[in-house]
Amino acid sequence: EVQLVESGGGLVQPGRSLKLSCAASGFTFSDYNMAWVRQAPKKGLEWVATIIYDGSRTYYRDSVKGRFTISRDNAKSTLYLQMDSLRSEDTATYYCATQAHYYSPFAYWGQGTLVTVSS
Amino acid sequence: DIMLTQSPATLSVTPGESISLSCRASQSISTNLHWYQQKPNESPRVLIKYASQTISGIPSRFSGSGSGTDFTLNINRVEPEDFSVYYCQQSNSWPRTFGGGTKLELK
Repeated sequence: EVQLVESGGGLVQPGRSLKLSCAASGFTFSDYNMAWVRQAPKKGLEWVATIIYDGSRTYYRDSVKGRFTISRDNAKSTLYLQMDSLRSEDTATYYCATQAHYYSPFAYWGQGTLVTVSS
Repeated sequence: DIMLTQSPATLSVTPGESISLSCRASQSISTNLHWYQQKPNESPRVLIKYASQTISGIPSRFSGSGSGTDFTLNINRVEPEDFSVYYCQQSNSWPRTFGGGTKLELK
């Protein structure tokens, strides 16, 4: 059974940093592209970043480029999102999700971790 | 960026009705369009991939159609557990984008 468990969320002040983790199990992590998708309170879904299966390429939405870094450790089956210079508009539940191939949907999702950026 | 416009924003129906939800892309995305369902306080789950391909474990009452810029999610005879929010998402280009969602509510 595929399991994705996010952690690392919490309350953080604007301008500070936070690092999210997503522990994966139940599938061969190193074979899958992985993504972060977020959802602001009472709002819709928003893709944040994707990393290719071997970590060789990353993609970001413009609003987080230069502030967020997606990475992975295939030996630990873990996905990360380093978030720097956080803004109030980054407040959201952050989900990690699998993407089997380049054009694939987000097939499996974690339960999400809430990040609140507020002073 | 490719914009996805979903309509209607809210649809009020009674169980047993058959419905169609629309998703329109701002430019052609071939069939790189996927549908998700999100129930309150739950993570989204994928219902249909590549516009019309079924997903293992998803009830057969869900079906999809379309290509290019116009897509439809059909639910044949809505069940009580289907009342939730539905999103479309394109994977044709970066950034990946989602539609604003359609909330299916009980009439």
